[in-house]
Amino acid sequence: GAGVSQSPSNKVTEKGKDVELRCDPISGHTALYWYRQSLGQGLEFLIYFQGNSAPDKSGLPSDRFSAERTGGSVSTLTIQRTQQEDSAVYLCATVLIQGWDTQYFGPGTRLTVL
Amino acid sequence: DQQVKQNSPSLSVQEGRISILNCDYTNSMFDYFLWYKKYPAEGPTFLISISSIKDKNEDGRFTVFLNKSAKHLSLHIVPSQPGDSAVYFCAASGQTGANNLFFGTGTRLTVIP
Repeated sequence: GAGVSQSPSNKVTEKGKDVELRCDPISGHTALYWYRQSLGQGLEFLIYFQGNSAPDKSGLPSDRFSAERTGGSVSTLTIQRTQQEDSAVYLCATVLIQGWDTQYFGPGTRLTVL
Repeated sequence: DQQVKQNSPSLSVQEGRISILNCDYTNSMFDYFLWYKKYPAEGPTFLISISSIKDKNEDGRFTVFLNKSAKHLSLHIVPSQPGDSAVYFCAASGQTGANNLFFGTGTRLTVIP
């Protein structure tokens, strides 16, 4: 497809289970971001990948969160031992050229932890 | 702690009138600001931006104003159209070496036909 895609679109899980969220970026986009939006909050930066550089993990809220980007393309965000406060919409965004104006967002994954 | 704030969660405007969405920030180091528009079940899409060296940027029906002394920016949409109904997020960046944007909580605009 032409845009950023994310899967699943919705995920309901039980507290304590692990979940994996996927982001398929726009082909050729070298930079990839993960954000989350909790209820009543703005988008919160989680992690940033740029090419082959070490990712910027400064936004990850705890060590239960991790992300990887294989081959500079698809990225997965993993949340271990999910907690109810992890419930949020998780958004992926990719950038072709450095510059916020060219940041394209996926539709997000709505995670609900029961 | 929210560094970017949108204090109005919702706004309703009659079609053809002006919509004014407001955003305040606390970090004086921010030097680049953006507005995003988000429809349901879609990701945010970039709308318009402004650098801190300017106080106004216009793109068609959309104009962003920046008041650095007040740490305030606003988005004006005129004339408003029903298709403008969406959630609008403001975002800010500029801290040296930062890789991320700081977003507000969004304002839901409803344009009434």
